[in-house]
Amino acid sequence: ILNVEQSPQSLHVQEGDSTNFTCSFPSSNFYALHWYRWETAKSPEALFVMTLNGDEKKKGRISATLNTKEGYSYLYIKGSQPEDSATYLCAFTTSGTYKYIFGTGTRLKVLA
Amino acid sequence: DGGITQSPKYLFRKEGQNVTLSCEQNLNHDAMYWYRQDPGQGLRLIYYSQIVNDFQKGDIAEGYSVSREKKESFPLTVTSAQKNPTAFYLCASSIRRSGNQPQHFGDGTRLSIL
Repeated sequence: ILNVEQSPQSLHVQEGDSTNFTCSFPSSNFYALHWYRWETAKSPEALFVMTLNGDEKKKGRISATLNTKEGYSYLYIKGSQPEDSATYLCAFTTSGTYKYIFGTGTRLKVLA
Repeated sequence: DGGITQSPKYLFRKEGQNVTLSCEQNLNHDAMYWYRQDPGQGLRLIYYSQIVNDFQKGDIAEGYSVSREKKESFPLTVTSAQKNPTAFYLCASSIRRSGNQPQHFGDGTRLSIL
């Protein structure tokens, strides 16, 4: 059974702190790794899609890295702001089936 | 503004009743998906469609049915055979079903049992 693990499950940080979360996935049959941001009462929004080992993506204060050999991706937020409060989901897709397997998410709360 | 519209936002089902959740997209995407979210679990795939008049079962299709008569629309029916339908349902679409395309999501429908 393919499984995607995200850690931590939730965390609270102070405004201005930098933080990071982990997404672990099976390293075999890897095709792509997706990150989404899901704010309360809104729909999940795509942040990054990464396909190559060593990929790094950046969008403003948020960046992500990918290690397909060991099966993990990190999401970093620099200088967290209250508007960064959301659940961050990762999804792993397999080659061949193109099936998206989602983790349970990391719930981030940034305190002003 | 392009996007995905799900309706209704909240839905209540009586025992033995079928209910239909609507999903419409104006993104001109070929692929559409239905997911279910339960507390403490990741999104689980119910059904997906790669093209009009074609759809495939996902991991938890039992008790659900779908249709794809138009590119823009992918309604999900929760039948009386689904014994535990209380959950949050998300519809999504992508340009095509390729695994490296981001999915675009609707705002979801929360289904509860009366």
